[in-house]
Amino acid sequence: SQTIHQWPATLVQPVGSPLSLECTVEGTSNPNLYWYRQAAGRGLQLLFYSVGIGQISSEVPQNLSASRPQDRQFILSSKKLLLSDSGFYLCAWSVDQNTEAFFGQGTRLTVV
Amino acid sequence: QKEVEQNSGPLSVPEGAIASLNCTYSDRGSQSFFWYRQYSGKSPELIMFIYSNGDKEDGRFTAQLNKASQYVSLLIRDSQPSDSATYLCAAEARNQFYFGTGTSLTVIP
Repeated sequence: SQTIHQWPATLVQPVGSPLSLECTVEGTSNPNLYWYRQAAGRGLQLLFYSVGIGQISSEVPQNLSASRPQDRQFILSSKKLLLSDSGFYLCAWSVDQNTEAFFGQGTRLTVV
Repeated sequence: QKEVEQNSGPLSVPEGAIASLNCTYSDRGSQSFFWYRQYSGKSPELIMFIYSNGDKEDGRFTAQLNKASQYVSLLIRDSQPSDSATYLCAAEARNQFYFGTGTSLTVIP
């Protein structure tokens, strides 16, 4: 069966520090991968999605970036965090764009 | 215009009643629709998906899709306190999933 791992679960980082969140999927090949952010009391905002290794599409301009160095690995990064980057970050995968997406446990990021 | 819109609620229903959650979407090309449940502090978990016009039933849950009206709904029968959560509607469009802001449901014992 397929599983998705996302870590860390919680993170407190100072403003201006770098960020690296990692997500891996097991049990499937060539999944579609997604990074979402959910601010407190708000909906899910799609940040990046990837349909294959090295293929990254960005939905919103921001100081975040994403990379997919391996088929089942998706990384979210920032060189310098802003206060506004605080939120609940969720990685998700799907077989393709027409099938359901499954979420990792999420990372709660607080920028102080 | 948002891709997916939901009434944010909060919606309160007594235990045993039917909860009705509604969602509209803007892209007529969307083919797949999903309902997720999200407990506070947790990640969303899939409840149901629906691709065809009409109703789809799974246990106490029924999803309804009307593509002409661009409308998706979720009915929860015999609501339980454990159903208290935020319900997210999602639509596939342009190779991505777009989520509504969610409807908060409270089932009162």
